[in-house]
Amino acid sequence: ETGVTQTPRHLVMGMTNKKSLKCEQHLGHNAMYWYKQSAKKPLELMFVYNFKEQTENNSVPSRFSPECPNSSHLFLHLHTLQPEDSALYLCASSQDLTGGLETQYFGPGTRLLVL
Amino acid sequence: AQTVTQSQPEMSVQEAETVTLSCTYDTSENNYYLFWYKQPPSRQMILVIRQEAYKQQNATENRFSVNFQKAAKSFSLKISDSQLGDTAMYFCAFMKVGDYKLSFGAGTTVTVRA
Repeated sequence: ETGVTQTPRHLVMGMTNKKSLKCEQHLGHNAMYWYKQSAKKPLELMFVYNFKEQTENNSVPSRFSPECPNSSHLFLHLHTLQPEDSALYLCASSQDLTGGLETQYFGPGTRLLVL
Repeated sequence: AQTVTQSQPEMSVQEAETVTLSCTYDTSENNYYLFWYKQPPSRQMILVIRQEAYKQQNATENRFSVNFQKAAKSFSLKISDSQLGDTAMYFCAFMKVGDYKLSFGAGTTVTVRA
């Protein structure tokens, strides 16, 4: 695996549950991302953090709440989710937000099923 | 906003043969980057190859090469001498110069048959 880890790898939750997804990067990067990957759809960027500050919220419903306590850790807190929120949630990191050929490094994802 | 289209949801190829994945994009930008990412069944997405739009020469990484046609806004990926480990979903992605956001296509699932 690359230097980005995610836990748990699989998660089943009811609509009234509260759970959290965790992402950790060991690459010394300063920017971290949450993506949602649904079947047969392009990856959707959800949130972006740079130096612990949120720089992007891509119109994500408030039932998804990100937290970035430091540049190495990123959380996604989940509460009162809907079945349509079932998807693969990917975390990624990059050196910063200058983009270019400095690519984003992805974690293995958390497969979420909302019942 | 940029749109990236991968018109082939699934492709199958015999081991050792060649397969080409198509990708087209829509943009008004002149300077940008294009990427192909691979996501194996284990789900760790990794970068396969990248291309700078201002470079006319097509990028090559071992058995992976691209055919970049800027005027046609086309960026296809060719996998030569396919191996079983190439079985994965492949995503084409676009990024404007000076931006950090990747616009992804919907992906093409490639299955390599033994």
